[in-house]
Amino acid sequence: EDKVVQSPLSLVVHEGDTVTLNCSYEVTNFRSLLWYKQEKKAPTFLFMLTSSGIEKKSGRLSSILDKKELSSILNITATQTGDSAIYLCAAIQGAQKLVFGQGTRLTINP
Amino acid sequence: NAGVTQTPKFQVLKTGQSMTLQCAQDMNHNSMYWYRQDPGMGLRLIYYSASEGTTDKGEVPNGYNVSRLNKREFSLRLESAAPSQTSVYFCASSEGGAGLGDTQYFGPGTRLTVL
Repeated sequence: EDKVVQSPLSLVVHEGDTVTLNCSYEVTNFRSLLWYKQEKKAPTFLFMLTSSGIEKKSGRLSSILDKKELSSILNITATQTGDSAIYLCAAIQGAQKLVFGQGTRLTINP
Repeated sequence: NAGVTQTPKFQVLKTGQSMTLQCAQDMNHNSMYWYRQDPGMGLRLIYYSASEGTTDKGEVPNGYNVSRLNKREFSLRLESAAPSQTSVYFCASSEGGAGLGDTQYFGPGTRLTVL
């Protein structure tokens, strides 16, 4: 059965802390891995990772894929209250399908 | 340019009633998708349409039907609603397939409650 598992499911930290979110996948015909941020409504795209070991960065966020370990991490440094959200990872399977993890609910306290 | 729009935003149904969720995109995308999101379960794919005129089942298609009316519109129908279909429903679109590396853009969601 194809599955994507995220950990932790919930995380509460103080503003300024650095966090690492984890995503592991077991998906047949794996193509790439996506990270999304979901605040109140629709998920918004963060990163797509296709190649192993190549870090993608956007401001304080960065992510990397490890195809050998079938996993990915999302790092957020110097967290701000605006980073509070649910972070979703999804594996692209074949040409069309996304298999999503359960999400990590991140809360940043001032 | 509105992106992906969904109607209605909220809906309450009684068990056994039917309804259609509407989705439209104005980005000239070929592929469209319907997901449901339940607490603790992430998003699960219900149906998708790789191009106009084609539809395929996703992970949880039972109890749903879809229609790709034209390139812009992709509707999701519940023929006989059940409490297990209480969820938030998201429509998404992408230029090509997810496997081609095209980003999926999501609509704002429809919160459906079945009593």
